[in-house]
Amino acid sequence: DIVLTQSPATLSVTPGESVSLSCRASQGISTSIHWYQQKSNESPRLLIKYASQSISGIPSRFSGSGSGTDFTLSINRVESEDFSVYYCQQSYSLPLTFGSGTKLEIK
Amino acid sequence: EVQLVESGGGLVQPGRSMKLSCAASGFTFSNYGMAWVRQAPTKGLEWVATISYDGSSTYYRDSVKGRFTISRDNAKSTLYLQMNSLRSEDTATYYCTRVITTRYFDYWGQGVMVTVSS
Repeated sequence: DIVLTQSPATLSVTPGESVSLSCRASQGISTSIHWYQQKSNESPRLLIKYASQSISGIPSRFSGSGSGTDFTLSINRVESEDFSVYYCQQSYSLPLTFGSGTKLEIK
Repeated sequence: EVQLVESGGGLVQPGRSMKLSCAASGFTFSNYGMAWVRQAPTKGLEWVATISYDGSSTYYRDSVKGRFTISRDNAKSTLYLQMNSLRSEDTATYYCTRVITTRYFDYWGQGVMVTVSS
């Protein structure tokens, strides 16, 4: 199985700061990575597909990059509604796997 | 508006069975693959099973293979997950999701809780 390692586990930031969340795959997966946001007590929401492709309805401050084994989700100028948990997911091979998540919290 | 509404969860004893349903609306159900993803309490997300748009192909994670069956009724726009021989480690919130090319999940239901305990 492909293991996805997300770092850091928790990131404390002040609203208005820009942040980068990391997701590292245990083997090369091209750009087969997708990012989700899960707010407390809510269902996950798709943010980015195939490493860098935007999703309709998602604010433009969210962007993704990377290929191979290293991927990044960037949030430009974090807003209060962005404090939640972020997961990456690979679709390179079955079983589909998720990272353990990065919690973005208010400093 | 895409809506996915799960039902059928609750408390069940180890070794028993339970069937989850997911009623879909707001899109042409028969055109899309569907999947179940679960989340144990305070844990991360875990893919469970996927079914193709016409039901001809199904995929499972190893830990549920042989115990869980994913199916669909396109006439009723409904997805199912039959869970047999349930174990305590199956305790989780189960999300119904729409899946794109069996690769990623673009819409999620609100989730249904399954608790396996004696």
